[in-house]
Amino acid sequence: DAGVTQSPTHLIKTRGQQVTLRCSPKSGHDTVSWYQQALGQGPQFIFQYYEEEERQRGNFPDRFSGHQFPNYSSELNVNALLLGDSALYLCASSLRGRADTQYFGPGTRLTVL
Amino acid sequence: RKEVEQDPGPFNVPEGATVAFNCTYSNSASQSFFWYRQDCRKEPKLLMSVYSSGNEDGRFTAQLNRASQYISLLIRDSKLSDSATYLCVVILTGTASKLTFGTGTRLQVTL
Repeated sequence: DAGVTQSPTHLIKTRGQQVTLRCSPKSGHDTVSWYQQALGQGPQFIFQYYEEEERQRGNFPDRFSGHQFPNYSSELNVNALLLGDSALYLCASSLRGRADTQYFGPGTRLTVL
Repeated sequence: RKEVEQDPGPFNVPEGATVAFNCTYSNSASQSFFWYRQDCRKEPKLLMSVYSSGNEDGRFTAQLNRASQYISLLIRDSKLSDSATYLCVVILTGTASKLTFGTGTRLQVTL
């Protein structure tokens, strides 16, 4: 049973570019949440998707957007990249409303130059 | 004020020692509490949930004090493999599975 998978593992972009990160949830999970973890900080909630809609959103600008597909996989898009967007981006999947079932993927490390 | 506050450490302890981490949360509407463990450059993994009555899992004991809005994690008989960052996590009432993390406390267990 595959856990949560994310791609790519590492990414280097320059300021102003756009990036798309991908996540496949653990088998049987229908909810995907995205978190940003800057160096030395705890993960910060970006947004959460289930039933292909954004259900909750953290304190992130509209440059951060997402999508969930019918197979529950998800994408995170970031436009107009800033240096401060450099971070580890974590995807977590769960059963709807069940925080104790939340599993994290290995993350995508984004570096913005 | 941060929603979840932790001492970042590092805590350097010898093998076999007992170590305790504390965490405070600011929102009294917090309903669920967890400790996660994160190894260097890896994803966070659920260590244990925290219940009002306190709970134990082997060498790990978690306590919750709702009146003081305080959570603790006690690790007995520390092992080298316990070296990691321990993240305190809360969920606010009505926010489903949105996790709010502290900055984490780093533990280094030495020989």
